[in-house]
Amino acid sequence: QSALTQPPSASGSPGQSVTLSCTGTSSDVGGYKYVSWYQQHPGKAPKLMIYEVSERPSGVPDRFSGSKSGNTASLTVSGLQAEDEADYYCSSYASSNSVVFGGGTKLTVL
Amino acid sequence: QVQLVESGGGVVQPGRSLRLSCAASGFTFNIYSMNWVRQAPGKGLEWVAIMSYDGDTKYYADSVKGRFTISRDNSKSTLYLQMNSLRVEDTAVYYCARGRGWLTYFDYWGQGTLVSVSS
Repeated sequence: QSALTQPPSASGSPGQSVTLSCTGTSSDVGGYKYVSWYQQHPGKAPKLMIYEVSERPSGVPDRFSGSKSGNTASLTVSGLQAEDEADYYCSSYASSNSVVFGGGTKLTVL
Repeated sequence: QVQLVESGGGVVQPGRSLRLSCAASGFTFNIYSMNWVRQAPGKGLEWVAIMSYDGDTKYYADSVKGRFTISRDNSKSTLYLQMNSLRVEDTAVYYCARGRGWLTYFDYWGQGTLVSVSS
């Protein structure tokens, strides 16, 4: 399974919105509703932010939202805050009982 | 609160073996699938293996199939990863992660343990 495609970097100013993309194929992102997003600060473990395309775990601010269209999933962060600066990874269930991650996007808050 | 604590990492020569452990607490361990996910230095996440709640079913990434073995001891709430025939490219931080459903998403992660394969 090939990794999902994410842009290496993205940025936005405090208060702005930014959308991160995650492109796969019909065998992963496009074929299942099991897309999730993880936030990772330097030296820390990943943290679940979105699961099943658009569901938000308790405790995650509603500034974070997810969606999917065809083979591309998106994570939108609204009202950017300094603490949102981190790496973001998308993930999808893939055929043959496996999971594939994206290469990650480094989000910078200007 | 849910806690996952990995241990067993270290420096090892290529071709040697290492066993990682993940001690779980704060939840009913024996009803969740459990996973290993790794992250090479400066790189992205890579799923490694999954084991079902009862230990009956397991799957591996192609990159580790035949070399790594995932197991669990529900009486000890502990997950293991036996890594044999280690390669330089296995160098990574290894995380254990609690699964929801079957390979749908990972809701809790440990802090990770570093495995460095070098001659």
